[in-house]
Amino acid sequence: QLQLQESGSGLVMPSQTLSLTCSVSGDSITTGEYSWSWIRQPPGKALEWIGYISQRGSTYYNPPLKSRVTMSIDTSKNHFSLNLTSVTAADTAVYFCARGHRGLHPSYYFDYWGHGTLVTVSS
Amino acid sequence: IQMTQSPSTLSASVGDRVIITCRASHSISGWLAWYQKKPGKAPKLLIYKASTLESGVPSRFSGSESGTEFTLTINSLQPDDFATYYCQQYNSFTVTFGGGTKVEIK
Repeated sequence: QLQLQESGSGLVMPSQTLSLTCSVSGDSITTGEYSWSWIRQPPGKALEWIGYISQRGSTYYNPPLKSRVTMSIDTSKNHFSLNLTSVTAADTAVYFCARGHRGLHPSYYFDYWGHGTLVTVSS
Repeated sequence: IQMTQSPSTLSASVGDRVIITCRASHSISGWLAWYQKKPGKAPKLLIYKASTLESGVPSRFSGSESGTEFTLTINSLQPDDFATYYCQQYNSFTVTFGGGTKVEIK
């Protein structure tokens, strides 16, 4: 059974960089043609997709966040990471990592998710 | 592409039939998924391609589409079904989610 687990700083100062890692267990991150995503949910609000990274390191980010987001993947450690720069209180959210499943579809839906980690932006 | 869910909150009793609607601002050709989210837990994929049930999901869940309008139906609501439900379009690389529908105990 595939499992994803988020880890990283739970409290980030405004204007600093939020850094999270998603560790994947139960299968290799390079198995199949999946993408690896970050999705967030601000308190009381809906889910917001942040971006994808492929096993080969190709990325695609949500346009409103694109200038501040960097994702990377380390296949030797079976994990992938998120950096979000210049954070503000609006970036306070539960951050989820997820596996994107595409197959013959035009884009990805998400079939495995981590439990999420709360990141608070505050001084 | 914007996804608009309705209602935002729904009160129902065990055994009820529940219908949640998701409307896309543009055609998404049926590329829609539904998720169930409970507090403190990971979202769970229920349905993809508008009506295909994910493996292991109970058959009381079903999905349908009519143009840009999609519905998630829960037949005979069970205690475990009280949760928030989200739709997600994946017709484009920039995927978007609906605002969510919270199913509460009446």
